[in-house]
Amino acid sequence: EAQLVESGGGLVQPGESLRLSCAASGFTFSNDWMYWVRQGPGKGLEWVSRISGDGGIRHYADSVKGRFTVSRDNAKSTLYLHMNSLTAEDSAVYYCTRGMASWGQGTLVTVSS
Amino acid sequence: DIVMTQTPLSLSVTPGQPASISCKTSQSLVYGNGKTYLYWYLQKPGQRPKLLIYEVSNRFSGVPDRFSGSGSGTDFTLKISRVEAEDVGVYYCMQNMILSPTFGPGTRVDIK
Repeated sequence: EAQLVESGGGLVQPGESLRLSCAASGFTFSNDWMYWVRQGPGKGLEWVSRISGDGGIRHYADSVKGRFTVSRDNAKSTLYLHMNSLTAEDSAVYYCTRGMASWGQGTLVTVSS
Repeated sequence: DIVMTQTPLSLSVTPGQPASISCKTSQSLVYGNGKTYLYWYLQKPGQRPKLLIYEVSNRFSGVPDRFSGSGSGTDFTLKISRVEAEDVGVYYCMQNMILSPTFGPGTRVDIK
């Protein structure tokens, strides 16, 4: 059974950076597209980014394009989301998902001064 | 981006009774390979979203058969044949056909 465990969330000030990680197990990580989805406080779900199994194809939502970078280390079965120039609108629980099927428990990012 | 509309936005159901949620999209979700990338998720209170239905009508592993999905083109429906207390939460439809996946606003289901 696929397991996904996110980490790296926390409280940061506007303009700062943060790197989220998602450790995967229970499946062949390099075979699957991986996604990041976020959920603002009391809000719905918003797709953030996705990356192909070999890392060669990456897509981003317009709201994060140019500020966020998705990457993966298939040797470590780990997905990353590098977030720069954070604003209050980026405050959310960030989930990693395997092909939008299995989801991690999420990690909370709060951007506040 | 493809806009997803769900109705109703909230639903109160008597246990044992059926429930239905509609999801309409701003453009057809039929991809060039003939598949339709429409998904349904349930997010129970305080939990992560869980996949119920993929590609319109396929139940994900472990999903009870009281859940079913149907539809085509731009109109889709999630049906619960007999609602149980554990089915409370927010239901989201999602499209993954184009570069930017988008979710519906969610339908909150509670028990009368």
